[in-house]
Amino acid sequence: QVQLVESGGGVVQPGGSLRLSCVASGFSFSSYGMQWVRQAPGKGLEWVSAIWHDGGNKYYVDSVKGRFTISRDNSKNTLYLQINSLRGEDTAVYFCARELPGVFPAPLDNWGQGALVTVSS
Amino acid sequence: DIVMTQSPDSLAVSLGERATINCKSSQSVLFTSDNRNYLTWYQQKPGQPPKLLIYWASTRESGVPDRFSGSGSGTDFTLTISSLQAEDAAVYYCQQYYFTPPTFGQGTRVEIK
Repeated sequence: QVQLVESGGGVVQPGGSLRLSCVASGFSFSSYGMQWVRQAPGKGLEWVSAIWHDGGNKYYVDSVKGRFTISRDNSKNTLYLQINSLRGEDTAVYFCARELPGVFPAPLDNWGQGALVTVSS
Repeated sequence: DIVMTQSPDSLAVSLGERATINCKSSQSVLFTSDNRNYLTWYQQKPGQPPKLLIYWASTRESGVPDRFSGSGSGTDFTLTISSLQAEDAAVYYCQQYYFTPPTFGQGTRVEIK
C-alpha cells in the first residue's frame, strides 16, 4: 500500500534551517507530482509547495518563496523540503502528499503523518 | 489568491441525521473547457492527516462511503453527509485547485449531538 513517511522535523531557532524528507513506498514515485502542506497548531491547512513528477517545475506559496526549496530524488523515492530563514509563523506540522495524476495542481490522495517543525528561541 | 469561505464554522448533528457544509470561492473554479469544477473536500480527524473525500466537486474517492456527496458549481459548493455516523466527527475542508496557489477553506468542525 502507499506509504509516505516524513522525517527531519524538530525545534529550531528563528533564522535557522531544516531539511524535511518524505520517503515514499508502495507506488511508482517518479510518476507522481508531490506537494507539501502545513498546519499550524490548532489551525487550518495551508498549501506550501509542489513539484512535478520529474522535478521539472516547482511552485511555492508567496510566504515561503526564497526561503523554502522543494526537491526530489526519484532514485531514492524521496521528497525534500529545505527550509531556511525560519520564522515563528513557520511553526507547523508539515505533511507530504501525493497528487492525483492528470492535472496540476491536483487533489491529494495520500498523505504522510506529518513532521512537526517548531521555531523557538 | 482565491479565498475559500466555509459555513458554518461548526455544527452538531444527531446520529443518522443530515449534515451540510457550504463552501464559497471568491472566483469561479469551473473550467469551461472541460466543464469541471476544480474543488475538493477533505476530512481530518484529530491527530491524523487529511483524507481525500471528493474531487471535481462531486467525484467520490475510492473507498469513501456513499453517504458523502458533493455538489455545486462555479463559486458555491456543498458537502453533504446524508446520515451522520459516529466516525464522521471531524473537521472538513474544501480546497480549490483551479488557481495556484491552491487554497483551503478555514474548516468546518462536525460534532455529534
